[in-house]
Amino acid sequence: GESVGLHLPTLSVQEGDNSIINCAYSNSASDYFIWYKQESGKGPQFIIDIRSNMDKRQGQRVTVLLNKTVKHLSLQIAATQPGDSAVYFCAENIDNNNDMRFGAGTRLTVKP
Amino acid sequence: NAGVTQTPKFQVLKTGQSMTLQCAQDMNHEYMSWYRQDPGMGLRLIHYSVGAGITDQGEVPNGYNVSRSTTEDFPLRLLSAAPSQTSVYFCASSLGDYSYEQYFGPGTRLTVT
Repeated sequence: GESVGLHLPTLSVQEGDNSIINCAYSNSASDYFIWYKQESGKGPQFIIDIRSNMDKRQGQRVTVLLNKTVKHLSLQIAATQPGDSAVYFCAENIDNNNDMRFGAGTRLTVKP
Repeated sequence: NAGVTQTPKFQVLKTGQSMTLQCAQDMNHEYMSWYRQDPGMGLRLIHYSVGAGITDQGEVPNGYNVSRSTTEDFPLRLLSAAPSQTSVYFCASSLGDYSYEQYFGPGTRLTVT
């Protein structure tokens, strides 16, 4: 079936560099996307969201880009810090029914 | 606000035993859900509720029951535990009504032997 997926399972960056985490989705009916951060031993934490009528949304040090043509979502983290080390999940919502489908996750490691 | 709370934090069951995972939220959220997370995988939806008295199945509902008698509580019942149910279970809530930002509890790590 259609599902959310990720290009890279792991990403390692130097402290201070920018990070880009990618996500591919295959359901063209998806109209809402969320990025979550999950630290070890904790539940996922909301980072930023974007609706399908937008291409870009910015938060504090984070930007989400949505390319509906190729069904691709990315999370950019500026000036990555050690506290950003975590697993990042993208999730999609279909049909406005509060049912979010999660991808497998990317582990981000920040090297000092 | 305590947010979303889950108990217990850890649990070990023998095959065939039953138990209830507790979830409560104090944010007056209409929508609550249960997910399971297996190693190296994302979260999969088990059951969800859009309000008191209303529940529905998610992706992987078999072997689990839920009920929603109050807005605050959404317990998850394992009827007859199986090793395949070894996982970390997360409860989440959101405001509902097209507000999809979900707040997650700290999780319950369940091992079935």
